[in-house]
Amino acid sequence: DSGVTQTPKHLITATGQRVTLRCSPRSGDLSVYWYQQSLDQGLQFLIQYYNGEERAKGNILERFSAQQFPDLHSELNLSSLELGDSALYFCASSVEGEVGGRGTGELFFGEGSRLTVL
Amino acid sequence: AQTVTQSQPEMSVQEAETVTLSCTYDTSESDYYLFWYKQPPSRQMILVIRQEAYKQQNATENRFSVNFQKAAKSFSLKISDSQLGDAAMYFCAYRSARWGAGGTSYGKLTFGQGTILTVHP
Repeated sequence: DSGVTQTPKHLITATGQRVTLRCSPRSGDLSVYWYQQSLDQGLQFLIQYYNGEERAKGNILERFSAQQFPDLHSELNLSSLELGDSALYFCASSVEGEVGGRGTGELFFGEGSRLTVL
Repeated sequence: AQTVTQSQPEMSVQEAETVTLSCTYDTSESDYYLFWYKQPPSRQMILVIRQEAYKQQNATENRFSVNFQKAAKSFSLKISDSQLGDAAMYFCAYRSARWGAGGTSYGKLTFGQGTILTVHP
């Protein structure tokens, strides 16, 4: 158990709909990262938050948005869903992420939220 | 930007034998981490081993060891005495050790494309 909790584990929805994926980081971790893994593909970085602030953006579509709340949990909102958005969405957390800081190591991943768009 | 390349889409090994998975990366940084993550059919991401770039000694975790060649920007994973439970997708990943203002990575992991490892009984 990595200590990172993601809900829901599975989600099936229709094209054009909107969904919200939730992530609770490990206790004490201030950074949250979102990754997308499409079928048989690698992990694509979407976005990172540190202590409530957006810190880095990857290949995140304009239809997608995220935020990190004061209690450090994060939500990834996916709207106007398309068939190609079907994927496994991972959240990961780490303790560091402040500007000028030195990282201490690995990211800890949740079990992922599997989204199926029909 | 950093890139990570795994040139072996698939590898196979007999149970109890040894297999090596390859990974190369490209970076202009000198301080960074390299990782191997395992993703079994459950799709959970499991850290296998970690290497810090400033440490010349290759990391080892039980049956898993790495061959880290910093000058060549190569980071291979050796699995000894392969077991059926080792069958999975393996991802090589890079992470900057320092980040700051000016558009650096802020600590995200950059992954390779993955290598599917099959273990034959």
